[in-house]
Amino acid sequence: SQELEQSPQSLIVQEGKNLTINCTSSKTLYGLYWYKQKYGEGLIFLMMLQKGGEEKSHEKITAKLDEKKQQSSLHITASQPSHAGIYLCGADTGGGSNYKLTFGKGTLLTVNP
Amino acid sequence: GAGVSQSPRYKVAKRGQDVALRCDPISGHVSLFWYQQALGQGPEFLTYFQNEAQLDKSGLPSDRFFAERPEGSVSTLKIQRTQQEDSAVYLCASSLGRRMGTEAFFGQGTRLTVV
Repeated sequence: SQELEQSPQSLIVQEGKNLTINCTSSKTLYGLYWYKQKYGEGLIFLMMLQKGGEEKSHEKITAKLDEKKQQSSLHITASQPSHAGIYLCGADTGGGSNYKLTFGKGTLLTVNP
Repeated sequence: GAGVSQSPRYKVAKRGQDVALRCDPISGHVSLFWYQQALGQGPEFLTYFQNEAQLDKSGLPSDRFFAERPEGSVSTLKIQRTQQEDSAVYLCASSLGRRMGTEAFFGQGTRLTVV
């Protein structure tokens, strides 16, 4: 089965600082999804990456998928308290099913004002 | 409704009790997914419906777990004879198509605590 490792497990940054969260897969990623979750709430979709070398940005968040399609990073520029939450990467479990995702354990981000 | 609605938000059950968790998807959404998220873990896939058809139930942890979506809209996840390891947040998501990602929206989840 596919496993996703996220690092770091938790991260505390000062407002305005940049940060990076990593997601590494034991197998080739057919589709890599980034979600944000606030405690006690559902998941909010951020971005999806499919092609090796692909990079997408939304506001101050940039996600990349490496050429080998086994590692993705999520980079936040000039972090704000509103960025705080749990960031989860999820992967299509293969065959392009697109509905059954395997998730990492998440990275807890705290942004101190 | 405007989004995916799950009820109850919180449920405390005594061990051995049966529980039913409800998911109201976004109107017109074809696909419906259930995930289980234990404390400190990522969500784990339970089951997937396309309309009223349960196309994949491979993630249901035991035969105590049962899900249905009889009219292709509201779905219910039932857990019989609850045990402490069933304590988790149960997330429901719906999608217009069959994909997650941009097309899927999650509810706020039901937090089940088995005591």
